[in-house]
Amino acid sequence: DIVMTQSPDSLAVSLGERATVSCKSNQSVLYNSDSKNFLAWYQQKPGQPPKLLIYWASTRESGVPDRFSGSGSGTDFTLTINSLQTEDVAVYYCQQYYNSPWTFGQGTKVEIK
Amino acid sequence: QVQLQQSSTGLLKPSQTLSLTCVISGDSVSDNTVAWSWIRQSPSRGLEWLGRTYYRSNKWITDYALSVRSRMAISPDTSRNQFSLQMTSATPDDTAVYYCARGRSAIRAFDVWGQGTMVIVSS
Repeated sequence: DIVMTQSPDSLAVSLGERATVSCKSNQSVLYNSDSKNFLAWYQQKPGQPPKLLIYWASTRESGVPDRFSGSGSGTDFTLTINSLQTEDVAVYYCQQYYNSPWTFGQGTKVEIK
Repeated sequence: QVQLQQSSTGLLKPSQTLSLTCVISGDSVSDNTVAWSWIRQSPSRGLEWLGRTYYRSNKWITDYALSVRSRMAISPDTSRNQFSLQMTSATPDDTAVYYCARGRSAIRAFDVWGQGTMVIVSS
């Protein structure tokens, strides 16, 4: 199984500042034939299911604010939240869909400082 | 708008069979551009993909995570536009929130989720 490791486990950021979450996989999730990274990011708020934010490592899902962005390739990925808002307080997960079983990171809790 | 509605909270005893259903609205379980998955979440295991079913080339395909393959069955029900999970020989380690989710072939990620069902396995 591909192991996804996120860092940090939690972070506190001031309103309007930038939050950065890292995700590393223990093997590449880049599919060379079409140069796509099989990596998604989700946001989960208490009592709710995860919500898809980003797929193919950097493509925002429809309706997701543009302060959310994804970057990286191969084994190292980053989710950036620019200008953090109160509604962004949540746990964020990365997930690989390169190889079955699809696996998730352990989550990063983002809070307001 | 696609929605997935799951059955309500479940309580079962060890060794019993866990059964959950996910009713689909706004899409078809037979849609050959999507796959229908079950995922669970617990403090000890985090988010864990369990398995999926999907319709391709006029046949149903299912695949499962190795960790649950021997105990698990996912089945579609085209007449009710839903899919179900059955997991035999439940143990307290199966206590979790269970989600159904849709994966679109075009993006592969899980773009629609059910609301979740809390399942508790306890004697």
